[in-house]
Amino acid sequence: QKEVEQDPGPLSVPEGAIVSLNCTYSNSAFQYFMWYRQYSRKGPELLMYTYSSGNKEDGRFTAQVDKSSKYISLFIRDSQPSDSATYLCAARYSSASKIIFGSGTRLSIRP
Amino acid sequence: DAGVTQSPTHLIKTRGQQVTLRCSPKSGHDTVSWYQQALGQGPQFIFQYYEEEERQRGNFPDRFSGHQFPNYSSELNVNALLLGDSALYLCASSPRRQGGFETQYFGPGTRLLVL
Repeated sequence: QKEVEQDPGPLSVPEGAIVSLNCTYSNSAFQYFMWYRQYSRKGPELLMYTYSSGNKEDGRFTAQVDKSSKYISLFIRDSQPSDSATYLCAARYSSASKIIFGSGTRLSIRP
Repeated sequence: DAGVTQSPTHLIKTRGQQVTLRCSPKSGHDTVSWYQQALGQGPQFIFQYYEEEERQRGNFPDRFSGHQFPNYSSELNVNALLLGDSALYLCASSPRRQGGFETQYFGPGTRLLVL
């Protein structure tokens, strides 16, 4: 069993829709949870991170972590074609430990 | 300010050969991590270097080795290449901090194809 599981998609939604991306994890020792965006032929870029449970909002992006159910979510409001990319959820045991990634969800926003 | 740079961008090798990939960290960063990303998968942690020493290691065989130089740049070496080593190899750099979240900045990667 992978430590971080993610539906690979692909997911295609119309422009302006709300996008929901989800992951589950198995190790309750994880403390930090991250979302990365990866465009084609580029390295991953950190969108946001959350410590322990709770919500974090940054512009059109909201990250949620529910440690009781080991569930990680990313919501994108007012989705734009420029949001089309692969989104990777990830987790860490501590603030500087190795990053453990999910397999990524390919998202396409249709104009 | 240049971000993380990696060379070469693409590489083709045959089974059994050896390869060296290079990474220059972002200015002001002293910690370098390497990841392997197979097609359709998320990156997998290989190892991390700080102060010229390997500090953390993922579940990769000894065929994967690395080095960090005094200027913080780093090399990833893979010996006895297998077909399964074909992947995108990502380098990430970060500033070592005592406490607080260490953000890793990723380079564009080196795409290795083993034939």
